[in-house]
Formats: sequence, structure tokens, C-alpha cells
Amino acid sequence: KAGVTQTPRYLIKTRGQQVTLSCSPISGHRSVSWYQQTPGQGLQFLFEYFSETQRNKGNFPGRFSGRQFSNSRSEMNVSTLELGDSALYLCASSVDRDEQYFGPGTRLTVT
Amino acid sequence: GESVGLHLPTLSVQEGDNSIINCAYSNSASDYFIWYKQESGKGPQFIIDIRSNMDKRQGQRVTVLLNKTVKHLSLQIAATQPGDSAVYFCAENIGIQAGTALIFGKGTTLSVSS
Repeated sequence: KAGVTQTPRYLIKTRGQQVTLSCSPISGHRSVSWYQQTPGQGLQFLFEYFSETQRNKGNFPGRFSGRQFSNSRSEMNVSTLELGDSALYLCASSVDRDEQYFGPGTRLTVT
Repeated sequence: GESVGLHLPTLSVQEGDNSIINCAYSNSASDYFIWYKQESGKGPQFIIDIRSNMDKRQGQRVTVLLNKTVKHLSLQIAATQPGDSAVYFCAENIGIQAGTALIFGKGTTLSVSS
């Protein structure tokens, strides 16, 4: 079975721009979650989607949003980028409330 | 807010030793816990999980222990190998609506010397 895939792997954006990251879960997995990883804050939960509905949400500002499509693929969007948004963005998928498998991440650099 | 913490940021062991990585969690309502391993440049890799109705679970060379009384998790790695060198994270699921929202600890860097 193919693992979780994320595109793009690397991205450089300028402050004020917006960005969209994509995640394809493992086949058969309906839950997709997004996490932000930084050296200072570690791994932080952004949100979880299940059957196209946001089921859980972390403590991030409204500039961070996401969606899930009928094929379980998910995208997350960050608007009005700030320097502090530079991070590794990780997507994870699971069948439901069970073991999550992570993708390799998208490295976002904001200049 | 509530968070999962780890006792030691680094752990150095010799090849062949047994390693124990500890973690304290704070949400007594959490019912599902996972250990992950993360190597440089990669996403976290699932190692083993445990639900709150268990106190011990074994995998291949790994054992997770859960002590709900003191809200403590540990990961034991038997016969540690150089390939086990990585950052290890514990995570607790605080998701609502039967969902998944993992709160991660800050990680323990395991270094294995041969």
C-alpha cells in the first residue's frame, strides 16, 4: 500500500502571500489530520477532517484552514503568511480513531 | 493548556543495551496513546500504540507501559541498535467526536553508539 503523500515537498513564499498544501492519505483512510512542526513549539495539531467534515481543531488562528474532498484527499491553506509560519507541515491519515500514519511533510519557508 | 511532556531530552546508550524512554501526560481523559520515531528529514513513524484499558503492550523489540494512576507512559526498546537512533515522541489523543487530535511531547533524542 502506498503511504501518505504530500505535495509540494518544499516551498518558499513571501510574507503576505497565501499557500495551499496537499495531502493524499493511505487508500481506505478517511481521517486526515494536519500538524505543524517547528524547533520551538514542536509538533502541534492543526485540524482533523473525516468524511469531508472538520471533526477536531487545534489552537491556530483563522488564517489556517483546510478541507477534505470526497476521495479523502485534503488540502490546507495558510493566508497572509507570516515569518513565524515557517515550519514543516505534516499530514497524517488513519482509518478512524486509531493509529495515524504520517507523510514526509512539506517544508514551508516564509521570507 | 494541557500537554504531554517527556522527562529527558536526550538519551545515550550502547548498542545492545535496553533503552527506556519516559513520558508524562496531563489529560486524565485521554484514552489512546502512541509512540512515534522521527528520523532527520522524515515524518514521524508509528512505533506502537496503547489504549487506556491496557497497561502493557508488546511489539517487535518494543514495549509500551501505561500507568494511569500517575499518568505516565514509557517505551522500552530491547537490544537497541544504531538504526534506532532518532527522536522519539509520545502522543495522547484528546480528540472529541470520536476523532483524532494528537498532542505530542517535546521528544527524546536517542543516540546509540556501537
